[in-house]
Amino acid sequence: DQQVKQNSPSLSVQEGRISILNCDYTNSMFDYFLWYKKYPAEGPTFLISISSIKDKNEDGRFTVFLNKSAKHLSLHIVPSQPGDSAVYFCAASAANAGNMLTFGGGTRLMVKP
Amino acid sequence: KAGVTQTPRYLIKTRGQQVTLSCSPISGHRSVSWYQQTPGQGLQFLFEYFSETQRNKGNFPGRFSGRQFSNSRSEMNVSTLELGDSALYLCASSPFPGSYNEQFFGPGTRLTVL
Repeated sequence: DQQVKQNSPSLSVQEGRISILNCDYTNSMFDYFLWYKKYPAEGPTFLISISSIKDKNEDGRFTVFLNKSAKHLSLHIVPSQPGDSAVYFCAASAANAGNMLTFGGGTRLMVKP
Repeated sequence: KAGVTQTPRYLIKTRGQQVTLSCSPISGHRSVSWYQQTPGQGLQFLFEYFSETQRNKGNFPGRFSGRQFSNSRSEMNVSTLELGDSALYLCASSPFPGSYNEQFFGPGTRLTVL
């Protein structure tokens, strides 16, 4: 049973526009959420995170929104740049789970010049 | 500061063999986690070590084991390899468990089982 799901395997966006990547979860014990970016032949790179006590967190062009009642989070990238083209993973953790993260299946973002 | 190092980067084994993968964390990081990435199952947590103790283990058979040394370097071992063990094995290090914002992944070891 997938506890973290990214239902869109791919997304194509024009440079300069907004990219919105979505993630749904089922485990109500999750209290911390993260987004990672992954290029081929490299490990995932941490992008941005959000605690369950917040509903929004911003870092430059990246904003993560959390809707706890819907068990849904999204990553907004504005404006999108060609260098943002990568696979994006959302991940979730429950309290006292150490560094044990449950990952979604990933969404491949392609930003066209 | 050097990043997380994983060796070897690529490995080819045959069914039934065993394999040991190594992970050297960032200097000062004492927590090491291992993940398996496959096309079908995505990224799945294997185990986490802190101060030479396994703190968490994912839902993997006993053929998967690991350990951590006093210098925080970690190894994982897979015995009696199966075709389905072919995957990218990723190691991540952080100062402490739960310090996600300071957790960095290595480039992974690509294991192919023939």
